[in-house]
Amino acid sequence: DTEVTQTPKHLVMGMTNKKSLKCEQHMGHRAMYWYKQKAKKPPELMFVYSYEKLSINESVPSRFSPECPNSSLLNLHLHALQPEDSALYLCASSQGDGYEQYFGPGTRLTVT
Amino acid sequence: GIQVEQSPPDLILQEGANSTLRCNFSDSVNNLQWFHQNPWGQLINLFYIPSGTKQNGRLSATTVATERYSLLYISSSQTTDSGVYFCAVVGGANSKLTFGKGITLSVRP
Repeated sequence: DTEVTQTPKHLVMGMTNKKSLKCEQHMGHRAMYWYKQKAKKPPELMFVYSYEKLSINESVPSRFSPECPNSSLLNLHLHALQPEDSALYLCASSQGDGYEQYFGPGTRLTVT
Repeated sequence: GIQVEQSPPDLILQEGANSTLRCNFSDSVNNLQWFHQNPWGQLINLFYIPSGTKQNGRLSATTVATERYSLLYISSSQTTDSGVYFCAVVGGANSKLTFGKGITLSVRP
């Protein structure tokens, strides 16, 4: 099974709301990733977790807060977002650095 | 960091035609992946191919690591092949997956 699941599929939130995006994989992968993708652009890496520890933060604003409760789950907590944060948020997982990455279907976020 | 260039940026085909998509990269790679992003945003893994040749149905890919390029071949294209094709690599001193800008393919019936 090479499936990564993400919830919700769509999310509309106001600038004062707090919400969370969820990602799950059951492939036994030890690395998990959050990407952000704007329209007509490639995905951009935000965070990497390796063995449940944050290993890369690509200078992401603190209004995005990642969490890895266990090796199968990855959350992205959102607070006080701006309209320019509206994008497709993709989660991915892999066996580790340099291995094939598998992506979830994404959460399409709109900030109003 | 490593640079990834894809060409052509846009491609329009008639159903049934064949096409070749190119990915050039600026340094040695440990990982090279081809993805198809469908209109709903899902990134679908096509090939994991840091070197060599692979085939999957109407699609095949070749990576010549020593010359720093990869090619994705689509034969007998179908309208469902439409979407954006990304090449992404891990290489150089960087451990993160670096994407090219993508190739937008439109297959017309």
